[in-house]
Order: sequence, then C-alpha cells, then structure tokens
Amino acid sequence: DQQVKQNSPSLSVQEGRISILNCDYTNSMFDYFLWYKKYPAEGPTFLISISSIKDKNEDGRFTVFLNKSAKHLSLHIVPSQPGDSAVYFCAASAGNQGGKLIFGQGTELSVKP
Amino acid sequence: DGGITQSPKYLFRKEGQNVTLSCEQNLNHDAMYWYRQDPGQGLRLIYYSQIVNDFQKGDIAEGYSVSREKKESFPLTVTSAQKNPTAFYLCASSIVASGGYTFGSGTRLTVV
Repeated sequence: DQQVKQNSPSLSVQEGRISILNCDYTNSMFDYFLWYKKYPAEGPTFLISISSIKDKNEDGRFTVFLNKSAKHLSLHIVPSQPGDSAVYFCAASAGNQGGKLIFGQGTELSVKP
Repeated sequence: DGGITQSPKYLFRKEGQNVTLSCEQNLNHDAMYWYRQDPGQGLRLIYYSQIVNDFQKGDIAEGYSVSREKKESFPLTVTSAQKNPTAFYLCASSIVASGGYTFGSGTRLTVV
C-alpha cells in the first residue's frame, strides 16, 4: 500500500528549462509535505516543504505546488542546472503520527548541458 | 557543528552473521529513524523511536532490531534472519512532530 507515489522513475531536462517533478498521495490525513534531494552514496538533504494550509511555497529556483483536492503535489525547478541532477524524494506526514515521514519511490532528474 | 553520524560507510558481512550499524546525533532531537533504500523502492521505514527506551516497528522491521538507551544513539542490528540485507541504510533524526528530518550519510551493507 504505497501512500506516496512518484510515478516517474526518471526525468531528463535541458539546462535552463523547467523541471517538473510530480507526487501523488492517498492519505487525506497528510498535512505536511517535503521534497528531499539525494546524491548517490549520500543521505538526502531537505529542499523545500509545504503545509496543507498553503497551495504554493517558493524558495529561489524551487517552487512546490499542492493541490489537496487532487492529492497531488509538484516541484518546479526553474531554471534547471546540471548540479540539480540527483534523485528527488517526495515525503508526507500526518500530525497525528508524531512526525513520521512516508517517502515516495524517488525520481531521478538528469539536467543536460 | 551539530549533525548525525553513521558508521561505517561501507560494511561487508558474511551470510549468517549479525551486524550492527551505528547512528549518533548531537542535535538534541527526540526522534530517530532507520530507513532502507533499494533501487526503485524509495526509502522504506525499518524502525523509529520517539523517546528514549521506546521504539516502534516500521513497514519492514522483520530481521532487524534496535535499541534506544541514550537520546543520542539509535543502533540498528541486521540479524541473520533478514533474508535480503544488502542495501543502503539511512539513519535520520527529527524534533518530534516537526516534520523535517536530518539524515546521516548512510551505510552501504553488502552480504558476501
């Protein structure tokens, strides 16, 4: 029972263009969503988050959009840079679960020069 | 500097042996977690602990054991009962209910 799904295992984008990574969830109790970035053989690092009371959060080149009715969130990276090439994980938590995060399968982004 | 340290970075184990992965944090975080990463399966929760001397099973706890005797430490033992232990193991910590984790750099375990 995959509560958080990233249906695209990989994405390839040209440098300077927009990267859009998608994430769907099934648990309506989730109220906090995060994106993590991971390089090979390293731990994930926090990128950006959004609370369920918002529908958009922006931090520099990174924007996360939340559509609660569709149970869908997306991460936009504009403009994409070769250093953005990594695996991106979507994660969600419910306030009544004490902060435990449920992760998606990850999407490997490749930004080509 | 505050952080979370996993050791060793690479570990080799013979079949039938137990092995313990170390995780230490000096962030004063209450909660600690162990995840396993396999290709195409994302991060799956093995065990987590929200307070000293207490821990709960995650989604794939079979073949693993943990202890939480100190706030700073959450070691994971991979027992011989774990059928497919070769994987990348990640430890994380958080302030309970904050929603954000700090991850260690991981341990690559290979069974030979």
